[in-house]
Amino acid sequence: DTGVSQDPRHKITKRGQNVTFRCDPISEHNRLYWYRQTLGQGPEFLTYFQNEAQLEKSRLLSDRFSAERPKGSFSTLEIQRTEQGDSAMYLCASSWGDRPYEQYFGPGTRLTVT
Amino acid sequence: AQRVTQPEKLLSVFKGAPVELKCNYSYSGSPELFWYVQYSRQRLQLLLRHISRESIKGFTADLNKGETSFHLKKPFAQEEDSAMYYCALRGGTSYGKLTFGQGTILTVHP
Repeated sequence: DTGVSQDPRHKITKRGQNVTFRCDPISEHNRLYWYRQTLGQGPEFLTYFQNEAQLEKSRLLSDRFSAERPKGSFSTLEIQRTEQGDSAMYLCASSWGDRPYEQYFGPGTRLTVT
Repeated sequence: AQRVTQPEKLLSVFKGAPVELKCNYSYSGSPELFWYVQYSRQRLQLLLRHISRESIKGFTADLNKGETSFHLKKPFAQEEDSAMYYCALRGGTSYGKLTFGQGTILTVHP
């Protein structure tokens, strides 16, 4: 499968715990994006990488959120001290260098904080 | 600030009827507008963008800067068009960020 993959697909955690999600982009894509989607809303931009450099972060990305893309390939999104408001679908997408608007999305990781 | 508004959460039409999904945007510069679609049990994917002025799967969308709109149209809806449709905007100062609307669920009845 050459599409964007995300792991895990579902995560249930208790409030206050830390969680980490992984995204593997399409191999030749150098740009990687994280979005969050809550029920009834469209995806909301969180952050964006070009290769290993994190070039843009949304104000939605509080201090409890951190994202990395250490070797310009896969990326991780960590949420520390989870809160119930963090419950959402976390989407990863990737794109070619010269077509940033054509983002290929993964299946998402659904996080439930109890 | 940039914002995308899709006023209809749900839209139902019968097969063969025309369909129009509305999208309005707010952005101070010159944006790029897109429509993304998510079919049942599939991933979100790009349908079309305003710059290309293409017709994809019979859908077209024209950017109206005066009305700040980018409505998606199809003259004859098909059952396989049933899906969630998102309008999205990319501002000139952000190379990667897409701002999405809330989405419209289109249902095409036989």
